[in-house]
Amino acid sequence: GNSVTQMEGPVTLSEEAFLTINCTYTATGYPSLFWYVQYPGEGLQLLLKATKADDKGSNKGFEATYRKETTSFHLEKGSVQVSDSAVYFCALTTQGGSEKLVFGKGTKLTVNP
Amino acid sequence: EAGVAQSPRYKIIEKRQSVAFWCNPISGHATLYWYQQILGQGPKLLIQFQNNGVVDDSQLPKDRFSAERLKGVDSTLKIQPAKLEDSAVYLCASSFRETQYFGPGTRLLVL
Repeated sequence: GNSVTQMEGPVTLSEEAFLTINCTYTATGYPSLFWYVQYPGEGLQLLLKATKADDKGSNKGFEATYRKETTSFHLEKGSVQVSDSAVYFCALTTQGGSEKLVFGKGTKLTVNP
Repeated sequence: EAGVAQSPRYKIIEKRQSVAFWCNPISGHATLYWYQQILGQGPKLLIQFQNNGVVDDSQLPKDRFSAERLKGVDSTLKIQPAKLEDSAVYLCASSFRETQYFGPGTRLLVL
């Protein structure tokens, strides 16, 4: 079946530190990959996505590259801010099906000033 | 553009009671999803609608959960009777071009 595995949290960083949140997946077919972010007290928001191998999604300084050979979609940001504190979810959908999102368990990020 | 609306935001009930959640998707979005997010886990799809027809309800506990989407717009999700393990956040989403947009969720606590 389809599944997503994220690195265990929580992750605590100082402002301006480099961020990596690892995400690997198992899927049949050719999935589209997503990162969603959930700020405290708010709903899930799409952060970025990639729909085919070697695509790079980017938004708000975050980047992730769809690596088919390693079945990975790691999230990176060069310099985090306090406002980036949130829970980050890696997810996939498979084409030709119901397009339901399959989520990882989420990684909580706290950025301290 | 208005986002996905959900109500209520919070609900506390006792086990064996019933509860209903409401969702209004983004205008024009034909596909609507209900997810259950248990604390510390990622959201899990309960049911997906395309207009007012069900596309996927394979993970919906049909002995106690039901959902409908009359007229292909608003949707309601009902739990009857509730169990302690139903305590979770219930998220509604609607989609356009493979991107799903989520509402703020309804946080349910079953005592």
